[in-house]
Amino acid sequence: NAGVTQTPKFRILKIGQSMTLQCTQDMNHNYMYWYRQDPGMGLKLIYYSVGAGITDKGEVPNGYNVSRSTTEDFPLRLELAAPSQTSVYFCASSYSVWGSTEAFFGQGTRLTVV
Amino acid sequence: KQEVTQIPAALSVPEGENLVLNCSFTDSAIYNLQWFRQDPGKGLTSLLLIQSSQREQTSGRLNASLDKSSGRSTLYIAASQPGDSATYLCAVRRETSGSRLTFGEGTQLTVNP
Repeated sequence: NAGVTQTPKFRILKIGQSMTLQCTQDMNHNYMYWYRQDPGMGLKLIYYSVGAGITDKGEVPNGYNVSRSTTEDFPLRLELAAPSQTSVYFCASSYSVWGSTEAFFGQGTRLTVV
Repeated sequence: KQEVTQIPAALSVPEGENLVLNCSFTDSAIYNLQWFRQDPGKGLTSLLLIQSSQREQTSGRLNASLDKSSGRSTLYIAASQPGDSATYLCAVRRETSGSRLTFGEGTQLTVNP
């Protein structure tokens, strides 16, 4: 039972570098999300997707991009890393059917930008 | 804009005590509410999901209630144990399209032996 899998678990980036955070789910969920969590804070939504080929911005999308070419995968791209993007990133997925909308989260990617 | 508040921000109790964590939200037009547990350095584990038409959900020593009209939910933990020490987060899902979750900032619980 893999659920939601994120890679890598940890990463250190230099300012201006780029990287892609990978997220895949094996539950055939149509909804997928990217959140970031800063120390002592709740989770802020970066981007989300309601199905393959459809993405939309959340609360804090600046500096990030996403794509959803398949149901399973929802990668998050950082183009020009900045210290303000130091955070823990969580990917999540869920169904959109009534009674089955429980959200499942990955274990997170801890990113430090120096 | 939906805002979710959790009180208290931190709570320390002796083992065996019954306790209540509070979650309030500003927009009552929610689809459902979900309680999560987060251990230090770990991801989120779903504890309970309450649909907007439900009043409460129970799982073992956990009971979550929902009063949609007043914008409140509580998580009741019976007979607390040191293993319950973690941060507890509540999140509400909007009724409108997108099905996004809005999170509170969490309550950090410490249960002392």
